[in-house]
Amino acid sequence: DAGVTQSPTHLIKTRGQQVTLRCSPKSGHDTVSWYQQALGQGPQFIFQYYEEEERQRGNFPDRFSGHQFPNYSSELNVNALLLGDSALYLCASSPGTGSMKTQYFGPGTRLLVL
Amino acid sequence: SQQGEEDPQALSIQEGENATMNCSYKTSINNLQWYRQNSGRGLVHLILIRSNEREKHSGRLRVTLDTSKKSSSLLITASRAADTASYFCATAPGNRDDKIIFGKGTRLHILP
Repeated sequence: DAGVTQSPTHLIKTRGQQVTLRCSPKSGHDTVSWYQQALGQGPQFIFQYYEEEERQRGNFPDRFSGHQFPNYSSELNVNALLLGDSALYLCASSPGTGSMKTQYFGPGTRLLVL
Repeated sequence: SQQGEEDPQALSIQEGENATMNCSYKTSINNLQWYRQNSGRGLVHLILIRSNEREKHSGRLRVTLDTSKKSSSLLITASRAADTASYFCATAPGNRDDKIIFGKGTRLHILP
């Protein structure tokens, strides 16, 4: 049983570009959450998707958008990249919404913006 | 914004010793969770304690929660080299059950 997978593992972009990160949830999970983790910091919640809709959003600008597909996989899109967007982007899946549901994290995508 | 704050920021102990990490938070919570992260990779869920629980055990882990002081502690007994990692507490704010908010973490290093 594959766990949460993310692609790509590493990515280098320049300021102003756009990026798309992908996440496949653990089998049987229908909820996907995205987090941004800057170096030396804890993960910060970006948003959560359930039933192909964004259910909750953290304190991130509209440059950050996402999508969930019918097979529960998800994408995170970031437009007009800034140097400060350099971080590890983590995807987590869970069997349903609610903080009592254990979240399973993927290995992350490390994004470097030059 | 980050609600939880772990203490200490970094901790080095000898293998076999016990490690204690603390977490303080600001608002009321539904539950508090502890996660481990190895070398900047994905996080692994360790344990969840509900707001109406005071103590919980899982193997070598013991978590306590004091809602009156808005604090929690994670104790790892008989530490091993494989316990070297960053440990994060994450809280589920009482008014938003879905979202969890992570602290900045404690970096634990187990010395051989």
